[in-house]
Amino acid sequence: DTAVSQTPKYLVTQMGNDKSIKCEQNLGHDTMYWYKQDSKKFLKIMFSYNNKELIINETVPNRFSPKSPDKAHLNLHINSLELGDSAVYFCASSPGTWGQPQHFGDGTRLSIL
Amino acid sequence: KNEVEQSPQNLTAQEGEFITINCSYSVGISALHWLQQHPGGGIVSLFMLSSGKKKHGRLIATINIQEKHSSLHITASHPRDSAVYICAVNRGTSGSRLTFGEGTQLTVNP
Repeated sequence: DTAVSQTPKYLVTQMGNDKSIKCEQNLGHDTMYWYKQDSKKFLKIMFSYNNKELIINETVPNRFSPKSPDKAHLNLHINSLELGDSAVYFCASSPGTWGQPQHFGDGTRLSIL
Repeated sequence: KNEVEQSPQNLTAQEGEFITINCSYSVGISALHWLQQHPGGGIVSLFMLSSGKKKHGRLIATINIQEKHSSLHITASHPRDSAVYICAVNRGTSGSRLTFGEGTQLTVNP
């Protein structure tokens, strides 16, 4: 039973399109995250939600909009996709907001043509 | 300069060897994490520690808060240990936000 699941696993699309990535966790955690891993495998936080409330919003273009309909789901919508958005996006969750182990999804590989 | 530095960037070992990966950080932290990313891409949390030492199977993680340094050791390494090992920290004032090192690519040959 997958703890943190992301869909889709692969996403290939053209520049300028709008796309969404979905994330769901069944661990009962209160906090969820989106991370971006670039071509050099460097991970960076994008957003974090705690109980549907945005608590971390890094310097990310506002073409990226997270949405948390409930504490088990955190989706990422990206408008007007650019070549530089090509990366692997990871969703994660943790029990709370203070220094606890995070559980990661398997990642979504986004390729922009 | 990254706030979390790992060394080495790449490491190749023979099966059975003892392996050490190092992590140094330049900020105040509340916790340090070691993560493993397999070739398939999934990321698994190995350890979270704020002091001392933790052991799980053949993996040992240590941290020295005064020196701002942590090490991940693998005893009796095996080809299935081949993966990218990532150090990450919770900065002292930023709660759950993780700041990552660039990762160490470990290859263990049979």
